Amino acid sequence: AQTVTQSQPEMSVQEAETVTLSCTYDTSESDYYLFWYKQPPSRQMILVIRQEAYKQQNATENRFSVNFQKAAKSFSLKISDSQLGDAAMYFCAYRSSGGADGLTFGKGTHLIIQP
Amino acid sequence: SQTIHQWPATLVQPVGSPLSLECTVEGTSNPNLYWYRQAAGRGLQLLFYSVGIGQISSEVPQNLSASRPQDRQFILSSKKLLLSDSGFYLCAWNLGLAVDEQYFGPGTRLTVT
Repeated sequence: AQTVTQSQPEMSVQEAETVTLSCTYDTSESDYYLFWYKQPPSRQMILVIRQEAYKQQNATENRFSVNFQKAAKSFSLKISDSQLGDAAMYFCAYRSSGGADGLTFGKGTHLIIQP
Repeated sequence: SQTIHQWPATLVQPVGSPLSLECTVEGTSNPNLYWYRQAAGRGLQLLFYSVGIGQISSEVPQNLSASRPQDRQFILSSKKLLLSDSGFYLCAWNLGLAVDEQYFGPGTRLTVT
């Protein structure tokens, strides 16, 4: 079974600064997908970014980018120019290559933005 | 566009009472449907998923069951609630494509007293 580990229960960053959230995972599969979801106080889960394991290029979405290290089984999220609206719980998630498979989530990192 | 609904939004139930949470998806056909539970201070745990009417896969043996009576309807049930069933329940859907993300509903907060 796959596991996802987020070792930072809470992170704090000054507004406009850059912060990196860590995620490691364990799997024996070679083909899979990785996701970062954001959960604001409303508790609505919002996709931030996704990465296909077969792609070597790191995914980027505006101020959000990932550092995907397949051999190390590491998938960190970098948030540049942090904004107050980025404050939320961030969850790293893994999914096998089968389209119907559910997501395996880490326990989350609570991101605090200091004004 | 597709939308996903969950109800009720909040529920307080005594121990031993039954439970029925409903999830419906609009604007798509034959979606994969998922139930997750988020306990306080923890990540989401997959409970059940369904790839079609009447087809339910259980990920974690527990006091809950799921049913899919219609293509876009997914129901989470319990005959007798336990205190440990308290949590935030999220329904999600996708079309099962290779890179497809899961789209989550607004959730139901369940408190068992």
